[in-house]
Amino acid sequence: NAGVMQNPRHLVRRRGQEARLRCSPMKGHSHVYWYRQLPEEGLKFMVYLQKENIIDESGMPKERFSAEFPKEGPSILRIQQVVRGDSAAYFCASSPKGQGGTEAFFGQGTRLTVV
Amino acid sequence: GESVGLHLPTLSVQEGDNSIINCAYSNSASDYFIWYKQESGKGPQFIIDIRSNMDKRQGQRVTVLLNKTVKHLSLQIAATQPGDSAVYFCAENGAFGGTYKYIFGTGTRLKVLA
Repeated sequence: NAGVMQNPRHLVRRRGQEARLRCSPMKGHSHVYWYRQLPEEGLKFMVYLQKENIIDESGMPKERFSAEFPKEGPSILRIQQVVRGDSAAYFCASSPKGQGGTEAFFGQGTRLTVV
Repeated sequence: GESVGLHLPTLSVQEGDNSIINCAYSNSASDYFIWYKQESGKGPQFIIDIRSNMDKRQGQRVTVLLNKTVKHLSLQIAATQPGDSAVYFCAENGAFGGTYKYIFGTGTRLKVLA
C-alpha cells in the first residue's frame, strides 16, 4: 500500500507564474489536508477536503490560492501569480475518515521556490 | 494553537539520556492527539498517539502523557539516540470552527549530543 504521494518534490517558479502541487492520498483515504511550512517553523493548516468537496478552507489565503479534490485523480493545490513569499514546503496528509480518532499520514512534501 | 511566525525551540540532550518534549494544545474538546517526528527534508512521521480517555500511553522507547486539565502533552524518549535528532510536533484532532481537523503545535527541535 503506497503512502501519500506528492509531486513534484521540488518546484521552481518565477514570480507571476502558476504553481500546481499534487497529492495522491493513501488507498482508501477520502480525506485530504494541506499544510504549509516555512523553514524552522511549524505546520500551518490551509485546507481540508473530501472527494469533490471543500470542508474547511479557513487557512487558505483569500486570493491566488485554490484547492480541489476531484472524484478521480489527485488533490491539487493551485497558487496563481506566485510571489516570493509563497516559497515554502507544502505538505498534504490523508486520513480514512474525517471525524477524527485516526492517524493522518503525510507525504514528503513539495518545496516551492519562487525566484 | 497553531504556530505562526514562531521559530522552533531546541532541546539538546546527551546520547543515552532521556528526553522530554512538551506541547500545549489549544482546544479543550480535542479528543485525539498524535506526536510526529520530522527529519530534515521529509514529511512528518507518526510516532505515537493517545486518545483523550487516557492519561498515558507507551510505545517502544517512547511514552506520551496527556494532562487534559492544563491542556498539555509530553513525549518522553528513553535512552535518546543520534537517530532521534529531528523536529517533533504534537497534533490535536478535534472540532475547530465546526469541522474536525488536525492542528499542529509549534514544534521542538531535538539535538542529540554524542
